[in-house]
Amino acid sequence: DVKVTQSSRYLVKRTGEKVFLECVQDMDHENMFWYRQDPGLGLRLIYFSYDVKMKEKGDIPEGYSVSREKKERFSLILESASTNQTSMYLCASSSGLAGLKGEQYFGPGTRLTVT
Amino acid sequence: AQKITQTQPGMFVQEKEAVTLDCTYDTSDPSYGLFWYKQPSSGEMIFLIYQGSYDQQNATEGRYSLNFQKARKSANLVISASQLGDSAMYFCAIPPVGGSNYKLTFGKGTLLTVNP
Repeated sequence: DVKVTQSSRYLVKRTGEKVFLECVQDMDHENMFWYRQDPGLGLRLIYFSYDVKMKEKGDIPEGYSVSREKKERFSLILESASTNQTSMYLCASSSGLAGLKGEQYFGPGTRLTVT
Repeated sequence: AQKITQTQPGMFVQEKEAVTLDCTYDTSDPSYGLFWYKQPSSGEMIFLIYQGSYDQQNATEGRYSLNFQKARKSANLVISASQLGDSAMYFCAIPPVGGSNYKLTFGKGTLLTVNP
């Protein structure tokens, strides 16, 4: 079974702090994603990566950066956390192999509160 | 751009009955796929079922099936014999134009409540 793990289920940070959210997958997937989920807005893609050191902006990249130094690990960085970044953050991974459905497998989520 | 619409913010169903969750989409891509995910209150998104636009038959996975009507651009999820554990948010999703399944656009979701 694919396993995607996230470093924390719940996190509370102060405004202006630098925040790291870590995601690890164990299925050798090429693609990894970071989403945020807010009530009434659904899931919105922040960044995704299709290979080590490769990344592309999603729909709402402002205020975030990412790092993918190893294939299994994808980090989301909030350089200076703000209250409007309080949200549920979901990491996902998928295989990049041609011919596959490309379904994404998700981690359990990190509920971040910025005070 | 891709667009996914889930018109039912919330649905209720009695245990053991069937329920249909609506999803309509808009895409200019002649070849595409559609995904359904379940999100229980624990937060994790669980992949349920996939339908390819050129698949001849509607997809089925256990108690889940897709009522895929390509001409109407709808891909409704049917859950048969509902169970209490089916209470969750359900999301429909579609990849971007170009056939890549890298990125998915998700609908806003439907909250299903199964009553005993």
